[in-house]
Amino acid sequence: EVQLLESGGTLVQPGGSLRLSCAASGFTLTSDAMSWVRQAPGKGLEWVSTISATGTIIHYADSVKGRFTISRDTYKNTLYLQMNSLRSEDTALYYCTKARGELDMILEYWGQGTLATVSS
Amino acid sequence: EIVLTQFPATLSLSPGERATLSCRASQSVSNYLAWYQQKPGQAPRLLIYDASNRATGIPARFSGSGSGTDFTLTISSLEPEDFAVYYCQQRVHWPPLTFGGGTKVEIK
Repeated sequence: EVQLLESGGTLVQPGGSLRLSCAASGFTLTSDAMSWVRQAPGKGLEWVSTISATGTIIHYADSVKGRFTISRDTYKNTLYLQMNSLRSEDTALYYCTKARGELDMILEYWGQGTLATVSS
Repeated sequence: EIVLTQFPATLSLSPGERATLSCRASQSVSNYLAWYQQKPGQAPRLLIYDASNRATGIPARFSGSGSGTDFTLTISSLEPEDFAVYYCQQRVHWPPLTFGGGTKVEIK
């Protein structure tokens, strides 16, 4: 059974940093693309970043480019999102998602999310 | 960037009624459109992919249609558990991956 368990969300001040984690089980990160999708309170869904199954292709939304870094540890089967220079508009529930295959971008599985709050 | 516009924003219906949700793309996405359901306090769930294919475990009352720029999600007879927010998403022209703004199906 595929499971995605996010962690790391907390309250951080503007300009600060945060690292989110997503522990995956029931499959290996080297088999499918993984993405982070966020949802600001009371708002819709916003794609943040994707890493391919091979780890060689990475994409970011313009809103986070240069500030966020997606990565993974294949031994721990864990996906990460390093978030730097955080802004109030980064406040959101961050979902870890698994695509159906290599970059087909059908978001087949979603974790329950971890809440990052950026506020002074 | 492809913009997806969903309408109506809110749909007020009674259990047993038919729900028709629309998603319009700013340019053709072929049939590479998915629909997700999100209930309060829960993560989104994949319902439909490639415009008309139901995901694993999705009941037959959910169906999708359309191609190019105009798509429809139909719920043939609303069950109490279907009252939720529905999002469309395109995957043909990315990055960025884009979602529609959502349609809330509420109990009338």
